[in-house]
Amino acid sequence: RKEVEQDPGPFNVPEGATVAFNCTYSNSASQSFFWYRQDCRKEPKLLMSVYSSGNEDGRFTAQLNRASQYISLLIRDSKLSDSATYLCVVTGSMDQLIWGAGTKLIIKP
Amino acid sequence: EAGVVQSPRYKIIEKKQPVAFWCNPISGHNTLYWYRQNLGQGPELLIRYENEEAVDDSQLPKDRFSAERLKGVDSTLKIQPAELGDSAVYLCASRNLRDRFLNEQFFGPGTRLTVL
Repeated sequence: RKEVEQDPGPFNVPEGATVAFNCTYSNSASQSFFWYRQDCRKEPKLLMSVYSSGNEDGRFTAQLNRASQYISLLIRDSKLSDSATYLCVVTGSMDQLIWGAGTKLIIKP
Repeated sequence: EAGVVQSPRYKIIEKKQPVAFWCNPISGHNTLYWYRQNLGQGPELLIRYENEEAVDDSQLPKDRFSAERLKGVDSTLKIQPAELGDSAVYLCASRNLRDRFLNEQFFGPGTRLTVL
């Protein structure tokens, strides 16, 4: 079993739709959680950290369920520019980042 | 402020040849990471430095891979000899350890290696 698992994708959604990404992690001792975004042939960039109470940044909402070891990312009113791969990341026991394989999102006009 | 700099951006070599990648982190960032990313996968950590010390190299294939960060600033990752399976994007990232709460890593553009 992979340490961080994400929906395999790709997700093809129309512009303006709401899209949700799911992620599960295996290490119950993980302390920090993140969503990174990676554009095609570019490097990953931090999208947002995920806090226990849930957090929102504009059209983006991240939630964490420690009991279920589950993280989610919701994008509302999706834009063409949201097309990218979304990577779920958690910290390991040595404070290293453990990455999911990513879920590719394609927004269609 | 300049970001993480990597060179070369692309490299094509034949198998069994050596290859080296260079990374200059963001000024003041004491933690440096080398990752390998295969198509359709997330980055996999190869080695992490805190200043000039390699604090996690458990995933580095030491029979053919080596890395150094002699002065605690820029770093070199070497593969000798390269194999077909080494074809991937090699990403360097840095982080300011003082930003422990944020834990954000900043990535360079990567070196895309093709082994023929």
